[in-house]
Amino acid sequence: NAGVMQNPRHLVRRRGQEARLRCSPMKGHSHVYWYRQLPEEGLKFMVYLQKENIIDESGMPKERFSAEFPKEGPSILRIQQVVRGDSAAYFCASSPPSLKTQYFGPGTRLLVL
Amino acid sequence: GIQVEQSPPDLILQEGANSTLRCNFSDSVNNLQWFHQNPWGQLINLFYIPSGTKQNGRLSATTVATERYSLLYISSSQTTDSGVYFCAVEKETSGSRLTFGEGTQLTVNP
Repeated sequence: NAGVMQNPRHLVRRRGQEARLRCSPMKGHSHVYWYRQLPEEGLKFMVYLQKENIIDESGMPKERFSAEFPKEGPSILRIQQVVRGDSAAYFCASSPPSLKTQYFGPGTRLLVL
Repeated sequence: GIQVEQSPPDLILQEGANSTLRCNFSDSVNNLQWFHQNPWGQLINLFYIPSGTKQNGRLSATTVATERYSLLYISSSQTTDSGVYFCAVEKETSGSRLTFGEGTQLTVNP
């Protein structure tokens, strides 16, 4: 059973470009979470999604950030018009409907030049 | 929101030593997880332990939910144990979001 997969693992963007981060949950998991880790800090919750629904986006910045988890395909975290402060590691986690444990992917390291 | 405090913030050990990491939280929780972030940045699940005691090899964890703390024990430490150890909790009324502590940076020297 493959773990949570994220791609790309590293992403470099110039200021003003768009960043698209992908997350494929573990098989059988229908809940997806995104977290952001700024340098030298702990992880901060961004958004919680189930298939085709955003359940809780209270941790996501109101502008430039959006997330989706379509019926088919991976979950996408999209950052428009990136700024240097968006440079961070973005982690995706998934869990099955019946369990609380969240399993984390390897993360995407975003660097904005 | 819920507060999660980890101590100590930094810990340096010689190989073979034992250590205890602590996590205090400010409210009732229905999920508590310990993670190890290795030097390559990967987050590894150690324990799901909202209450009680669990052991896995040289690692064990205890959560006393009524007193709002959890302990992670590392015995006979190895250099591969180096990294950051995070405690994360899910508040009972917060849905499914995890709130992370700031972590304990562990360095095990040979």
